[in-house]
Amino acid sequence: QSALTQPASVSGSPGQSITISCTGTSSDVGSYNLVSWYQQHPGKAPKLMIYEVSKRPSGVSNRFSGSKSGNTASLTISGLQAEDEADYYCCSYAGSSSHVVFGGGTKLTVL
Amino acid sequence: EVQLVESGGGLIQPGGSLRLSCAASGFTVSSNYMSWVRQAPGKGLEWVSVIYSGGSTYYADSVKGRFTISRDNSKNTLYLQMNSLRAEDTAVYYCARDKDTAMHSWGQGTLVTVSS
Repeated sequence: QSALTQPASVSGSPGQSITISCTGTSSDVGSYNLVSWYQQHPGKAPKLMIYEVSKRPSGVSNRFSGSKSGNTASLTISGLQAEDEADYYCCSYAGSSSHVVFGGGTKLTVL
Repeated sequence: EVQLVESGGGLIQPGGSLRLSCAASGFTVSSNYMSWVRQAPGKGLEWVSVIYSGGSTYYADSVKGRFTISRDNSKNTLYLQMNSLRAEDTAVYYCARDKDTAMHSWGQGTLVTVSS
């Protein structure tokens, strides 16, 4: 199972909005509304930010939003803050035998 | 409060075996899907294995035939038995509570280093 494709890095200034893309195939992202996004700070465990394409877990800021079109999912962070600087990973269900596949990760830099 | 605590990592020689544990509290392991996810040093996340609440198990191709996921309901603990370890298995291993394929809760991770 191939990893989902994410840009290696994105950057933005405080207060701006950024979008991270996650491209899969018709076998994963395109077939299921089971895309999730994770934030990971250095040396820490990942944290769930978005699940089922656009749902936010309790406690996650509404500055984080998710969407999907065809085989590509997106994470948008609005009103960038310094603490948003982290690695972000997308993940999609890929059928029962493969279960899930992760993206390669995107490093977000807040300038 | 949901808590997951992994243990059992360490330095192991190639070809060796290791068993990781993940002690859960605040929820029942057997009523949930539970996954293992690993992260090689400086690399991204890689899904390793899942056990469904009904007991079905699935593995990434990279570990199939070498790793076994299991759980002990009486101890509310998840396990990952890793055999025939290779250098490329070196990673931090996380256990996660998996709900509808989203990993809602994660442990702090345990480092496995495969080296001679």
